[in-house]
Amino acid sequence: QVQLVESGGGVVQPGKSLRLSCAASGFTFNSHGMHWVRQAPGKGLEWLAIISYDGSNKYYGDSAKGRFTISRDNFENTLYLQMNSLRTEDTAVYYCAKGGGGSLVVPTFFDYWGQGNLVTVSS
Amino acid sequence: IVLTQSPATLSLSPGERATLSCRASQSVTTSLAWYQQKPGQAPRLLIFDAFTRATGIPARFSGSGSGTDFTLTISSLEPEDFALYYCQQHGYWPLTFGGGTKVEIK
Repeated sequence: QVQLVESGGGVVQPGKSLRLSCAASGFTFNSHGMHWVRQAPGKGLEWLAIISYDGSNKYYGDSAKGRFTISRDNFENTLYLQMNSLRTEDTAVYYCAKGGGGSLVVPTFFDYWGQGNLVTVSS
Repeated sequence: IVLTQSPATLSLSPGERATLSCRASQSVTTSLAWYQQKPGQAPRLLIFDAFTRATGIPARFSGSGSGTDFTLTISSLEPEDFALYYCQQHGYWPLTFGGGTKVEIK
């Protein structure tokens, strides 16, 4: 079965960096676009970024542009989110999600989600 | 594209029918998905392409609509259906979600 397991979250000071990881199994990782979505405490869902099956194409939402970088390692079946210049408003649970739209960078839904990883930005 | 969900909270009893609404600020044709989220858990895909049930989703969940107005119907609420529900448009960048509807036990 599809499994997505995030790691790398925790407490970080404003202005610092953090890298999240998402280990994938149970499907052909290198054939699917992958996403990051976040949810601030008690709030709704916000899409952050997508990466194509081979990592050659990426697309970001406004909150992620310029500070966050999505990447992947298809040999390790792992998705990453590098987050720089973190702000208190970046405090959220971060989810990796498998895209339902196949291999490319196309608008799509999310058919499988990780369990989420809490990032707290606080001094 | 802004998605507006209504009502914010729906108070119903087990066995009752639930009707949740999602309105888009512009047409998304049928590129609309629904998710269920329980406290402390990740969202779970219920419906995509407005009316297609995801794998393993019971038939009591159904989606309808096109353009700007969409509906998620739960024909007869089971105890495990009391949760938060989000809609999401998957037709245009950036992908966006509605604010959610909480279905609570009356």
